Amino acid sequence: DTGVSQDPRHKITKRGQNVTFRCDPISEHNRLYWYRQTLGQGPEFLTYFQNEAQLEKSRLLSDRFSAERPKGSFSTLEIQRTEQGDSAMYLCASSGEDGRAYEQYFGPGTRLTVT
Amino acid sequence: QKEVEQNSGPLSVPEGAIASLNCTYSDRGSQSFFWYRQYSGKSPELIMFIYSNGDKEDGRFTAQLNKASQYVSLLIRDSQPSDSATYLCAVGAGNTPLVFGKGTRLSVIA
Repeated sequence: DTGVSQDPRHKITKRGQNVTFRCDPISEHNRLYWYRQTLGQGPEFLTYFQNEAQLEKSRLLSDRFSAERPKGSFSTLEIQRTEQGDSAMYLCASSGEDGRAYEQYFGPGTRLTVT
Repeated sequence: QKEVEQNSGPLSVPEGAIASLNCTYSDRGSQSFFWYRQYSGKSPELIMFIYSNGDKEDGRFTAQLNKASQYVSLLIRDSQPSDSATYLCAVGAGNTPLVFGKGTRLSVIA
């Protein structure tokens, strides 16, 4: 069990550029969640998948944001036309389907800075 | 609007003392309750979860849940300087996305 991994760990981009983040969940975990965290706040839900199906999207997820989980394995989160307000830590978490199905384990996060 | 409230702190306790962290939530349909520890610049780490009313102990940590009062707490016994971090309370209903509080910053003074 290698844990949730995220790539890249840090991303600096200029306003208006597109960025894409990747998340690899814990193997056998079928649920994958994306959250966003800004300084002094708790993580805020963005979207989540069960296998390859995207089950829910937050109102926070504007049209500039899109997420995919092809084949129910890794997931990508893309932000188009980045804005300075997108600067945050983007966190991925996964949970399984066994007796510990409700517990979500986080990856190290991707810190995005939009200049 | 589902809300989770925590005192932002900082909560300062001397080394060896008991730290008590509290959390209230608004959604009576909540079923699962979690405490995460987050060091500065790092991602949240799951340290405790509780699903039933009462106490749950794991090492130096005890989680307490009172669904009637919509109240969750975390006790840390024999606090160590390494426990200094922000503690996030999170609430869910089954496999739904979690709703987090803003966190309580704990400082353990040596």
